[in-house]
Order: sequence, then C-alpha cells, then structure tokens
Amino acid sequence: GAGVSQSPRYKVAKRGQDVALRCDPISGHVSLFWYQQALGQGPEFLTYFQNEAQLDKSGLPSDRFFAERPEGSVSTLKIQRTQQEDSAVYLCASSSRVEGTEAFFGQGTRLTVV
Amino acid sequence: SQKIEQNSEALNIQEGKTATLTCNYTNYSPAYLQWYRQDPGRGPVFLLLIRENEKEKRKERLKVTFDTTLKQSLFHITASQPADSATYLCALDSGGYQKVTFGIGTKLQVIP
Repeated sequence: GAGVSQSPRYKVAKRGQDVALRCDPISGHVSLFWYQQALGQGPEFLTYFQNEAQLDKSGLPSDRFFAERPEGSVSTLKIQRTQQEDSAVYLCASSSRVEGTEAFFGQGTRLTVV
Repeated sequence: SQKIEQNSEALNIQEGKTATLTCNYTNYSPAYLQWYRQDPGRGPVFLLLIRENEKEKRKERLKVTFDTTLKQSLFHITASQPADSATYLCALDSGGYQKVTFGIGTKLQVIP
C-alpha cells in the first residue's frame, strides 16, 4: 500500500479483555516502531523492530504488553487483561533505514477501555 | 533525566506572519532532530530532519535551526496560512537505531 495502515481504527474493550492491534508498514521498510499517545501528549516509545528482530522493548509499560513482527513485515501489538490506563492512541511507524531518516506513521488505533 | 520541552500552550498568529516554535532539551545528545506535524485524529507527518553538525535547514516556507550548545531548535513557518494550523512535534533521535523521542508538541493556530 501507499502508506502505513493500522487496524482497527477504534477499539472499545471491557476491562480485563485481551486486544490485538495490527500494523501494515510500508513494503520493504526495515524499521518498525510502536508508540502510545495519551490525549494532549506526544507519542511515547513502546518498542522497535529491525526486520523481524525486536531490538528494544524498553518502553512497554508492563508484561501485559507484547509485540511481534514474525516475518519482518506486519506487526501486532497485543495487550492482555486491559486496564483503564491502557486507553490511548497506539501509533505504528516504519522507516526505510535504521537511523537518521523520516518515519512514516499510520493513523493510529484509538483504544478505549471501559 | 532526559527531557524535551516544547511550549505546551497554543501559539496564535496572524495569517502572513512568521510562526516560531521552540524545542529545548536537556540531558540528551541527539544525532538528529526532527519536526513533525500532527492534525487531530491523525498520525504525525514528517516535515524536516536536521543533523547535529548542521546549523540550519530549509524546505519551502519552513526553516529549522539546531544549536547543540544551547540545546535548542527553532522551527519557523514563514508567510503562515490557516492551513498551517496543527500541532507541531519536536523529536530527538540519538542515532544507532532510530529510537525517536517526542516532545509534547505545540499547537499552532493561524488566524485569517
């Protein structure tokens, strides 16, 4: 596709439910990032993949958060046993090189935990 | 701890004037500094990247400066238009791999 695609656009989950958020990066992009953005804040780094390797997961808030990119393209961010504080917009971005280049963002998935 | 400061208050400016947004950082040695634009309900869109050894970068009506001594970047939009109204995010990249850290953003409103 022409850009980074995320699905679903909106997700409402009951507290305690598991959710899976999908990211289709731009074809051929080596780097893939997940960010969490709370209302009125900047995006906060969650995790980074270089191809299929998860090189940094230091931003994942707890062990309820898990991300994968098994074939080096599509990535899934999974949140287990969702809590209200998980409510945020989850942004995925990809870039063509490892460093020093622009990142292309998807539109995000707005997760609301009720 | 590492900190990126952007003026979190909205900046209102008259159409046609130059808008100047500030990004200050502490306890950080970025290899690159980037500026993104974000509209409501959308993901950030890349605008400009400047490297640590560059002082200034221009693209059309946009200009970015980077002062590693002051630990500050200024982002200018000349001849501002109402369509420039958005939130502008400063982002620091320490290199190695692109773990980009974002500021809170500054909301710009250009008044016709």
